[in-house]
Amino acid sequence: GAVVSQHPSRVICKSGTSVKIECRSLDFQATTMFWYRQFPKQSLMLMATSNEGSKATYEQGVEKDKFLINHASLTLSTLTVTSAHPEDSSFYICSASYGTGELFFGEGSRLTVL
Amino acid sequence: GESVGLHLPTLSVQEGDNSIINCAYSNSASDYFIWYKQESGKGPQFIIDIRSNMDKRQGQRVTVLLNKTVKHLSLQIAATQPGDSAVYFCAEADMRFGAGTRLTVKP
Repeated sequence: GAVVSQHPSRVICKSGTSVKIECRSLDFQATTMFWYRQFPKQSLMLMATSNEGSKATYEQGVEKDKFLINHASLTLSTLTVTSAHPEDSSFYICSASYGTGELFFGEGSRLTVL
Repeated sequence: GESVGLHLPTLSVQEGDNSIINCAYSNSASDYFIWYKQESGKGPQFIIDIRSNMDKRQGQRVTVLLNKTVKHLSLQIAATQPGDSAVYFCAEADMRFGAGTRLTVKP
């Protein structure tokens, strides 16, 4: 099956720093990648949709200057949380699709901002 | 299946029983639906999907039913096992997730 890898799986940073999370499709070319945020015991909240080579489409209420998404190639998308604060602490999950409709998810990245 | 950050409803079943997990969706134009399983601390995993031209689809121990009239999906798990304990989400073609249901299987 298609594999999506996320890195890092866990990151702890100080308030005010920026953190980059990578999402890679290992054995397929992902035409579209999605970024989600998940708080404990809650559902996945779609943050943005990114297509290779174009700007990401952000969901309402998600600050695009705060959560920078880059989808530079068909196998890599990155999410950068800029000037992170404790309220940004969450589980960030990416998924990728190659057009069939099915999503393949990464294992998630747990961000803790001190 | 618009997620609004609600706390998860829970379903507790005895091992060997059948489980039914429900999901309501809001977009009547949605034509594709997916069920995902998420174990603690992990990303979601695909379980089964269904297109709107179908009412029912069966997989291994799982069945998805789609009622377009009332915009309702259900996931049925036969002979539920402890390994089925997880959170189950439905998602529409726009990749937005429903609120999810936490399934706990008691041995």
